[in-house]
Amino acid sequence: KQEVTQIPAALSVPEGENLVLNCSFTDSAIYNLQWFRQDPGKGLTSLLLIQSSQREQTSGRLNASLDKSSGRSTLYIAASQPGDSATYLCAVSSNAGGTSYGKLTFGQGTILTVHP
Amino acid sequence: GEEVAQTPKHLVRGEGQKAKLYCAPIKGHSYVFWYQQVLKNEFKFLISFQNENVFDETGMPKERFSAKCLPNSPCSLEIQATKLEDSAVYFCASSLSPGNEQYFGPGTRLTVT
Repeated sequence: KQEVTQIPAALSVPEGENLVLNCSFTDSAIYNLQWFRQDPGKGLTSLLLIQSSQREQTSGRLNASLDKSSGRSTLYIAASQPGDSATYLCAVSSNAGGTSYGKLTFGQGTILTVHP
Repeated sequence: GEEVAQTPKHLVRGEGQKAKLYCAPIKGHSYVFWYQQVLKNEFKFLISFQNENVFDETGMPKERFSAKCLPNSPCSLEIQATKLEDSAVYFCASSLSPGNEQYFGPGTRLTVT
């Protein structure tokens, strides 16, 4: 059974700092990994999707890496801003014989606070 | 539409009552997924559809929960005889294919009293 763990559970940083959020998964047979942010009382906003064959994806100040063999992904946020404050979740979908059923297994999330 | 729409935003039901939640996927997306979020960040997959067909129902509780996606109608998730433990936020997501990015709706908060 796939299990996803995110470290740290919470992080508080001053504005402008670069930071790294970690995600690990127990079963390396994944199809893809997706990073989301969730603002309080809101839905999930997709940030980045990395396919299992990829090593990293970038979008603006965000960079996500994937090391499938070691079961790890990191989300790097450059020059953090107060507007980045949110809960960040990673989720994996499993590889079922070269395809995916799309079912996502989520980590518990990292609560990020960026203070001015 | 351009976004996944979910209604209602909030739903309050007494224990034993029925609850019905709705989801309209992004236009052109063939796949719909339902997730339950309890205790803040604990997400549980419930069921997925490919158009109107059940695609994966491995997370669906055997009793009391049912779901449908009918042509030209919003998808629905129904809970018969709600229990206190059903209190959660229910999210719907849609995607072009199971291996593609999933886009989430704003969720429906169900409170069972």
